[in-house]
Amino acid sequence: DQQVKQNSPSLSVQEGRISILNCDYTNSMFDYFLWYKKYPAEGPTFLISISSIKDKNEDGRFTVFLNKSAKHLSLHIVPSQPGDSAVYFCAASAVGGGADGLTFGKGTHLIIQP
Amino acid sequence: EADIYQTPRYLVIGTGKKITLECSQTMGHDKMYWYQQDPGMELHLIHYSYGVNSTEKGDLSSESTVSRIRTEHFPLTLESARPSHTSQYLCASTGGFSVDGYTFGSGTRLTVV
Repeated sequence: DQQVKQNSPSLSVQEGRISILNCDYTNSMFDYFLWYKKYPAEGPTFLISISSIKDKNEDGRFTVFLNKSAKHLSLHIVPSQPGDSAVYFCAASAVGGGADGLTFGKGTHLIIQP
Repeated sequence: EADIYQTPRYLVIGTGKKITLECSQTMGHDKMYWYQQDPGMELHLIHYSYGVNSTEKGDLSSESTVSRIRTEHFPLTLESARPSHTSQYLCASTGGFSVDGYTFGSGTRLTVV
């Protein structure tokens, strides 16, 4: 039973345009959400996070939006650059419940085309 | 420069062999984790540790075992490797109570033939 779902295995976006990666979750106990970026043959690296008390968090070209009622979050990258080509994992945690383990989605492979 | 190291990066081994995947971190983190990932799939937590002599099983059942004798070292052992163990194994650590602070190693790509 997948608690964090990334329904798009891959996404192709032209360089300079906006990339939007989506993530849905089912566990209402999740209160902290993160995005990780992963290049082949490397471990994931932390990108951006958002607490459930917020609906938006921005860091440079990256913005994460959270819609708690829909149990949906999205990562916006604008403008998209070739170095953004990677697999992006959505992750969630029930921090308020005392847990600090992460539950990951299956990832979305973002391809930035020149 | 990585502060968490995994060796080997790649390993091809025959069925029935005993293997140990190494993970070491130089950050003094108490909490360490092992995740398993198959291509195109999510990362699954298989083991974690909150400090020396503390080890727990994660969400995904695994035939592997771990030990935590030193803070910086969290090796994972498979007593008898099988083809079903073929996967990527990722080690992570964090200090304090911050999910933001997860630092992942580069992973070990294990192939059992």
